[in-house]
Amino acid sequence: GESVGLHLPTLSVQEGDNSIINCAYSNSASDYFIWYKQESGKGPQFIIDIRSNMDKRQGQRVTVLLNKTVKHLSLQIAATQPGDSAVYFCAETGGGNKLTFGTGTQLKVEL
Amino acid sequence: EPEVTQTPSHQVTQMGQEVILRCVPISNHLYFYWYRQILGQKVEFLFSFYNNEISEKSEIFDDQFSVERPDGSNFTLKIRSTKLEDSAMYFCASSRAFDEKLFFGSGTQLSVL
Repeated sequence: GESVGLHLPTLSVQEGDNSIINCAYSNSASDYFIWYKQESGKGPQFIIDIRSNMDKRQGQRVTVLLNKTVKHLSLQIAATQPGDSAVYFCAETGGGNKLTFGTGTQLKVEL
Repeated sequence: EPEVTQTPSHQVTQMGQEVILRCVPISNHLYFYWYRQILGQKVEFLFSFYNNEISEKSEIFDDQFSVERPDGSNFTLKIRSTKLEDSAMYFCASSRAFDEKLFFGSGTQLSVL
């Protein structure tokens, strides 16, 4: 039969608000997690990463939280800007850069 | 910031034809990867390449795929006899070390007709 593409969950936020994008991962052996941003027609762009020995890591305007107990990862973007509009993917790996990507979340920033 | 460069950006081919996708990884990187993304789907790992050989590959990476590193800078993915289901965006990526940050190129959009 015909394959159907994934319907991305969408998060709409007002410019200047904070955004929280969530991701559930499945492999309890994963020990390295990354958030990527993908704009239309471009490759995934690294945003921030976290290793399993941490539960929080901050970058410039972004924070990643890791909850290993429930296998949950989140990306917080402070003061969201129009340039943040993109699809955001979480990715996980148990070693090296053989990454397993999540479904993705479409972030739309409204003016 | 250094970039991974991929050419061509778009490739249209007839089913059964061979295509070559080209990549120039970041110059001091040692680990190389190809991923693909079928329209509307997740990004999927194809294979990794280190020390002039494939180090790991997925079940997607069958005999129709081959990889070459013809010189110190270029890295190519050849699809021998393309199928309709090979239509996807193919991303090359590289990292300096095994578990360091992975940089992706902008991709080659392959359309098999």
